[in-house]
Amino acid sequence: ETGVTQTPRHLVMGMTNKKSLKCEQHLGHNAMYWYKQSAKKPLELMFVYSLEERVENNSVPSRFSPECPNSSHLFLHLHTLQPEDSALYLCASSQELAVYNEQFFGPGTRLTVL
Amino acid sequence: TQLLEQSPQFLSIQEGENLTVYCNSSSVFSSLQWYRQEPGEGPVLLVTVVTGGEVKKLKRLTFQFGDARKDSSLHITAAQPGDTGLYLCAGGLLANAGNMLTFGGGTRLMVKP
Repeated sequence: ETGVTQTPRHLVMGMTNKKSLKCEQHLGHNAMYWYKQSAKKPLELMFVYSLEERVENNSVPSRFSPECPNSSHLFLHLHTLQPEDSALYLCASSQELAVYNEQFFGPGTRLTVL
Repeated sequence: TQLLEQSPQFLSIQEGENLTVYCNSSSVFSSLQWYRQEPGEGPVLLVTVVTGGEVKKLKRLTFQFGDARKDSSLHITAAQPGDTGLYLCAGGLLANAGNMLTFGGGTRLMVKP
């Protein structure tokens, strides 16, 4: 495996379910990100981790809970979501947390909340 | 209102035509990146510009960063069906800590054969 991988690619869940999204990067990067991409909004940054420590939380509802157990893995735990949370969730990584660094994106998880 | 405004939002052209996509803001950015996203995939970086007035070329794609570092443009010459996709600009703000990018709303381009 190379690059940034995400599983599952598609997820349908009810509002009372608990599920987790997984991201893995094989690039040796130190920073990882979660983004939300909705049909009618720009890409929204949700969480940023650098060396496994969270450095940014953009006012994301507590029903989204990130976890970064090591620099290669990032999880997004989902609980009691709302239909408006349906979107494409993208994971990205970069070498360092520097503004000029390229971010490498995974293919995303298409989430549908019923 | 969006911090980064992209225009047009949608563009459908014939193969061989030229086009320009714009990315505008009232804020000054330390860097500006352009990404292309294809269906079912994440965005892929095309270019990073960091100096006001900078012009970068990538084959048929020409990227320009405005002198005041508040705007950017992407020009495609002789568009091909393979250029079809969502084009995103993303700005890095001086006030932000780390690599916090602000994305524009995107321009969805379709090139018909």
